[in-house]
Order: sequence, then C-alpha cells, then structure tokens
Amino acid sequence: RKEVEQDPGPFNVPEGATVAFNCTYSNSASQSFFWYRQDCRKEPKLLMSVYSSGNEDGRFTAQLNRASQYISLLIRDSKLSDSATYLCVGLSGGSYIPTFGRGTSLIVHP
Amino acid sequence: EAQVTQNPRYLITVTGKKLTVTCSQNMNHEYMSWYRQDPGLGLRQIYYSMNVEVTDKGDVPEGYKVSRKEKRNFPLILESPSPNQTSLYFCASSRSALSSPLHFGNGTRLTVT
Repeated sequence: RKEVEQDPGPFNVPEGATVAFNCTYSNSASQSFFWYRQDCRKEPKLLMSVYSSGNEDGRFTAQLNRASQYISLLIRDSKLSDSATYLCVGLSGGSYIPTFGRGTSLIVHP
Repeated sequence: EAQVTQNPRYLITVTGKKLTVTCSQNMNHEYMSWYRQDPGLGLRQIYYSMNVEVTDKGDVPEGYKVSRKEKRNFPLILESPSPNQTSLYFCASSRSALSSPLHFGNGTRLTVT
C-alpha cells in the first residue's frame, strides 16, 4: 500500500533553472498536503503547505489538483542550496497516519 | 525556541539490550509520532499518540513500544533490539493530526549489531 507516489529522480539541473515535481495520491479522502525538504541524514523540514487555490512563497509555488489527484512543487531560479530531497505528505480525514512519498532528489549544479 | 528534541543522536547497541530513545516537545502539541527511515522505503510511522495516555500503532509497530505519560514526552522503547531495527529514527509533533504540519526532531541513528 503506497498511497503517495513521487518520481525519485534525481533531477539534475543547472543553477537558475526552473524545475517541477509532481506527487500523485490515491486516497481521495486526503485533505491536507505539505511539501517538506530533507537534507542528507537530517530531519525533514516543512517547506510549504499546499492549498487548493495554489500558493506561492518566493521562488516556490505549490498547487493541488483534486480532480487528477496530484500536487506539484515548482522551483524557479534554482540555487545550489536547493539541492535536497523533497517529500510530499498527505493527511487523510480517515487516518491519523500521514502518508509520505519516498522523496524526489534534486541536484542543482553550477 | 519551539522544537522537538530527541536523544541520543547516535546509538550503537547489541542485539537484545533494551534501549529507550527520548523525545520531548515544547509546543504543547497534542499529536506526537515516531518514524523510521530506511533507504528506498521512505518514512514509515511506528506509533503515534493523540494525547496523554492515548497511543496507537502506525504502519510498522512490531518490536517497539511507546508511552505518553506527559504531554511533552513520547519515548520510544525497544525491549529487545534486533539488527533489522538498525535505522534512522525521527520523532515528530503537530498541533492537529489531521490538518497541521509535523515538526521533526533531529533524528537518532541507531545501529544494532
């Protein structure tokens, strides 16, 4: 049972590029979604929540498409410091167990 | 500073020797949970707690115990560790299980030989 799927990558992009990740979910009861960033061997840290209307935080834009059951993360003007693994997480109204994707690896090179 | 604190950061032990990993949060969160992270498998929930004295199994509870005697603390207990419990462990808390993001501790890397 894997309810949240992500392309593991790695996505290898040059500085300044725009990169997009998608995350699909199978549980239509999923209510809340988040994107986390995880650096190697460190704890996941909240990057942003995902709202139905879409939301933007600086270079980062998150969107939710309930009809097609996916969420997306767009990173504009990539920086070397954006290199990390990006995890999507879904919370379902029927479960107290968050469902994590396995993460997408991003490598930004000079 | 709002945080989730886990101890120890690194632990090497032998099979069968009971151990406890502590977790404490200072944000008055009701929901706390434990995860293990293994290469290729991602984060998997071990146990969670909705409030004091309320705990329940996650996806991979076998070989683990937890307790929630106080709101701020949620220790993870391995009564008889085995090598397949070698992993990176994270404790996390949130204000609401169904709608709030998780705040993670900085992890405990456990090796069982």
